[in-house]
Amino acid sequence: GESVGLHLPTLSVQEGDNSIINCAYSNSASDYFIWYKQESGKGPQFIIDIRSNMDKRQGQRVTVLLNKTVKHLSLQIAATQPGDSAVYFCAETRDYNQGGKLIFGQGTELSVKP
Amino acid sequence: GAVVSQHPSWVICKSGTSVKIECRSLDFQATTMFWYRQFPKQSLMLMATSNEGSKATYEQGVEKDKFLINHASLTLSTLTVTSAHPEDSSFYICSALPPGAVYNEQFFGPGTRLTVL
Repeated sequence: GESVGLHLPTLSVQEGDNSIINCAYSNSASDYFIWYKQESGKGPQFIIDIRSNMDKRQGQRVTVLLNKTVKHLSLQIAATQPGDSAVYFCAETRDYNQGGKLIFGQGTELSVKP
Repeated sequence: GAVVSQHPSWVICKSGTSVKIECRSLDFQATTMFWYRQFPKQSLMLMATSNEGSKATYEQGVEKDKFLINHASLTLSTLTVTSAHPEDSSFYICSALPPGAVYNEQFFGPGTRLTVL
């Protein structure tokens, strides 16, 4: 299940199941969003991105959904594998003039049980 | 793919000393680099934006005299934590933006773990 509180939200899933990680963003002016995967002791790794003129984008085993009405972003991972265990962050950019400045969300720790 | 390295990967220092962290883009030139700080179980917080040949732009609440940033070449940016204290212990991550790139072309380094005793 998923828990939210003072600690990093965690999501525990069984290997082979699908995972859904959620993210709420704060600024309706944000026009570009990225999901990153961060393994313990490493830097973030790009997973998938989506522009604000899209509602859905698919990659290999991953899908990002964007709901601008409620300022919500989700990352779906199909057939979750133990190697998917990591912390997942969404990031947003506010406008093109920011020149690549990213604002990271809180993050969700995904734990995959074999 | 583009590679960004950081050195050292971890460092332990005594309170009051200064520590320098290097961020290098290995196979591309980066006009802009970013420095982030990440506390345990927390998100990445942008500290500053470093542009080659000019002064860094610091985020609100980040002390520029404490966190000195130098971007002397297109492949190297350094972050110096001056007079480090235990509360500066954190994971410091840099990212690099190739010239003409936007958003998704920001490449992250592996991070540097700083522990101040």
